[in-house]
Amino acid sequence: QKEVEQNSGPLSVPEGAIASLNCTYSDRVSQSFFWYRQYSGKSPELIMSIYSNGDKEDGRFTAQLNKASQYVSLLIRDSQPSDSATYLCAVEKTNAGGTSYGKLTFGQGTILTVHP
Amino acid sequence: DVKVTQSSRYLVKRTGEKVFLECVQDMDHENMFWYRQDPGLGLRLIYFSYDVKMKEKGDIPEGYSVSREKKERFSLILESASTNQTSMYLCASSTAPEEDTQYFGPGTRLTVL
Repeated sequence: QKEVEQNSGPLSVPEGAIASLNCTYSDRVSQSFFWYRQYSGKSPELIMSIYSNGDKEDGRFTAQLNKASQYVSLLIRDSQPSDSATYLCAVEKTNAGGTSYGKLTFGQGTILTVHP
Repeated sequence: DVKVTQSSRYLVKRTGEKVFLECVQDMDHENMFWYRQDPGLGLRLIYFSYDVKMKEKGDIPEGYSVSREKKERFSLILESASTNQTSMYLCASSTAPEEDTQYFGPGTRLTVL
């Protein structure tokens, strides 16, 4: 089982629709979860972080976390063509001593296309 | 603004050459990371460093080494480049645990012939 797995995609949605991106992780002790966006030919940039069960909203973006199910999702409401990118789910990785230094394990990414 | 720079955007090397990839950050971050990114595999951590001269292996360290002599600079070394090391290499830095965000450089597209 992969440590972090995302729905394979690619995902195509019409402009104005809700895009739903999903991610599961295997390490039950993980506490910090992130969504990065990567435009074609560019480097990843952080768009959302979430640490507690439930929903976290930021503008058109909502991150959802369910630690019991080891599941993280990202919803993009009113999707725009400018949202077309690869979305990377990342989970903070701690070592045996409980320190992480911010180490992340990334999923393989989901390509989202929003068509007009 | 945090700025992470990488020495080259594109690099072409021959099998067996020693390759140096340089990364510099200007925000006094303690933590620096090297990833490679391949289609369908996402970003995979090669090495990271949490302080000057301190380093730890990531998930795929084989065939790579690193050097961090100064806080702002983190180098990735391919001792003897091989064709399976053809990839996009991304450097990142952070101040975790104070702030979790990793800031990425623009990447180096390395081709090994």
